[in-house]
Amino acid sequence: EVQLVESGGGLVQPGGSLRLSCAASGFTFSSYEMNWVRQAPGKGLEWVSYISSSGSTIYYADSVKGRFTISRDNAKNSLYLQMNSLRAEDTAVYYCASRSGSHGGFDYWGQGTLVTVSS
Amino acid sequence: SYELTQPPSVSVSPGQTARITCSGDALPKQYAYWYQQKPGQAPVLVIYKDSERPSGIPERFSGSSSGTTVTLTISGVQAEDEADYYCQSADSSGTYTVFGGGTKLTVL
Repeated sequence: EVQLVESGGGLVQPGGSLRLSCAASGFTFSSYEMNWVRQAPGKGLEWVSYISSSGSTIYYADSVKGRFTISRDNAKNSLYLQMNSLRAEDTAVYYCASRSGSHGGFDYWGQGTLVTVSS
Repeated sequence: SYELTQPPSVSVSPGQTARITCSGDALPKQYAYWYQQKPGQAPVLVIYKDSERPSGIPERFSGSSSGTTVTLTISGVQAEDEADYYCQSADSSGTYTVFGGGTKLTVL
């Protein structure tokens, strides 16, 4: 069974940092492109970042570029999101999602981890 | 930045057909995907590559594309289909993923 389990969310002050993790199991993680997607309370989905299967290609949404860093450790079947200089508007549930190699859709999602940026 | 536009809400009675549209300039070049999200749950892929249905998704869900608009159609809507629906695609370069603003489907 495919599982994606996020962790690392919590309450952080504006300007602070947080590192999210996503543990993958049930599939060949090293073969899959991965993404982070977030959802602010009561709002829609917002794509945050993409990383290729090898980690050699990375993209960010303009809203997080220069502040967030995506990475992965294929030996540990894990995806990460280092978030620095956090702002109130970064408050959201953060999901990791795998991208299907056959059709490009986000076929598996974690349950999400809540990040709250507040003083 | 590139945007996908969806109606905020659609309402239908049980058994009727719901159509949710998504418009974007790059849709003739890029595939569209549709996700269903129920309260407190992660999104679920219901349509990929404009019109293909993943295994396990009921046949009443279908997708179509015409020019700069893609449409999710739910035939014979059931109460359990009440949810938020999001379209997703990419900009013209294929680099950046974009989600539509979401459509709340209400089953009357």
